[in-house]
Amino acid sequence: DAMVIQNPRYQVTQFGKPVTLSCSQTLNHNVMYWYQQKSSQAPKLLFHYYDKDFNNEADTPDNFQSRRPNTSFCFLDIRSPGLGDAAMYLCATSRGRGPGANVLTFGAGSRLTVL
Amino acid sequence: DQQVKQNSPSLSVQEGRISILNCDYTNSMFDYFLWYKKYPAEGPTFLISISSIKDKNEDGRFTVFLNKSAKHLSLHIVPSQPGDSAVYFCAASGNNAGNMLTFGGGTRLMVKP
Repeated sequence: DAMVIQNPRYQVTQFGKPVTLSCSQTLNHNVMYWYQQKSSQAPKLLFHYYDKDFNNEADTPDNFQSRRPNTSFCFLDIRSPGLGDAAMYLCATSRGRGPGANVLTFGAGSRLTVL
Repeated sequence: DQQVKQNSPSLSVQEGRISILNCDYTNSMFDYFLWYKKYPAEGPTFLISISSIKDKNEDGRFTVFLNKSAKHLSLHIVPSQPGDSAVYFCAASGNNAGNMLTFGGGTRLMVKP
């Protein structure tokens, strides 16, 4: 089945210790997104890649970085996690153009706990 | 500034009855609206969408209504089933936002047997 896979599903880190979350997709979608979702809140877009073009949201902290080495993979790096970065991190993909361009397919998420 | 709002954090409905989930938006440039369903420990899954050129879209038990003048959309589930119990997010996009989705805060639906 074509899908979006996130690893790890659960990540515990210490305050200030770097973390990398990964996302892979078999849908061959052009666009990959990273969202942050805190409890009972709307998912908040951090950034997205349209093919190799990186697009950062204006209010995404510098502490958050991303890499997309190829079409299938995208990584979220949190350089120095703070307590406020504890959240569910959702990866999503979309075609980016044509029918259904705006329909996102999400992974199951990576829940980050910061001690 | 929340551009997409779901004012009811939770909704409880009896099995077999209608569930109505509401969503309001403020950005008049939004022209495409979606509903996602999320079970615990899973990512959101796409449910149904509607373009601003329509006022209704139906898919089986799910119908989305769009009232552009009121900047309001709603999702109707008829009949509701216990398996529909989940968090429902509405989302909106528009060309001025590069087609990025803006999500509401979600409504937790509980369907009681």
